[in-house]
Amino acid sequence: SAVISQKPSRDICQRGTSLTIQCQVDSQVTMMFWYRQQPGQSLTLIATANQGSEATYESGFVIDKFPISRPNLTFSTLTVSNMSPEDSSIYLCSVEFGRATEAFFGQGTRLTVV
Amino acid sequence: QKEVEQDPGPLSVPEGAIVSLNCTYSNSAFQYFMWYRQYSRKGPELLMYTYSSGNKEDGRFTAQVDKSSKYISLFIRDSQPSDSATYLCAMLRGDTDKLIFGTGTRLQVFP
Repeated sequence: SAVISQKPSRDICQRGTSLTIQCQVDSQVTMMFWYRQQPGQSLTLIATANQGSEATYESGFVIDKFPISRPNLTFSTLTVSNMSPEDSSIYLCSVEFGRATEAFFGQGTRLTVV
Repeated sequence: QKEVEQDPGPLSVPEGAIVSLNCTYSNSAFQYFMWYRQYSRKGPELLMYTYSSGNKEDGRFTAQVDKSSKYISLFIRDSQPSDSATYLCAMLRGDTDKLIFGTGTRLQVFP
């Protein structure tokens, strides 16, 4: 298993601003994942972050809106840029050991854009 | 049509009841089936996963997969108030590493 810490746990932001979410894992992992959980909707993968390479984004998500950094094997950040109320959601960091059948999640960042 | 369908609930049951949570799916390529529990203001935690069809039991929890019907279930026996949470099903194809989640079912177990 893994202990995954996300910061901040929640934030209220003004539209047009950006927020950077941090994810720290207590062990080294090759891939880290960022998800979005909107009310009443499925957990949706935003991107996969490998250390030393650019993140891979899923359909509907772009780097300009959700830039990701992965400076080492235990840390990643997701930035939500130029926010609008539609970006209000829970953002979750996840890691896997082996396969996705053993995925672990952080506690999430609850973002409200006003 | 969504790949994975899950009734959002809420499902409210008395303590001690047997709970049945279900998901249906449309993609016959799914081979791995997971159940996650998510408490309020927490991230999802993996409860159990099964490969292919059949049953898997872990304490009070039993996961069941019926691939012919594209239907999976999670049964909770002797439900407790501490089981009150949102339960998410998730699925994985054998050739990718991308999890596909249901929307989650909110369960409330009252004393």
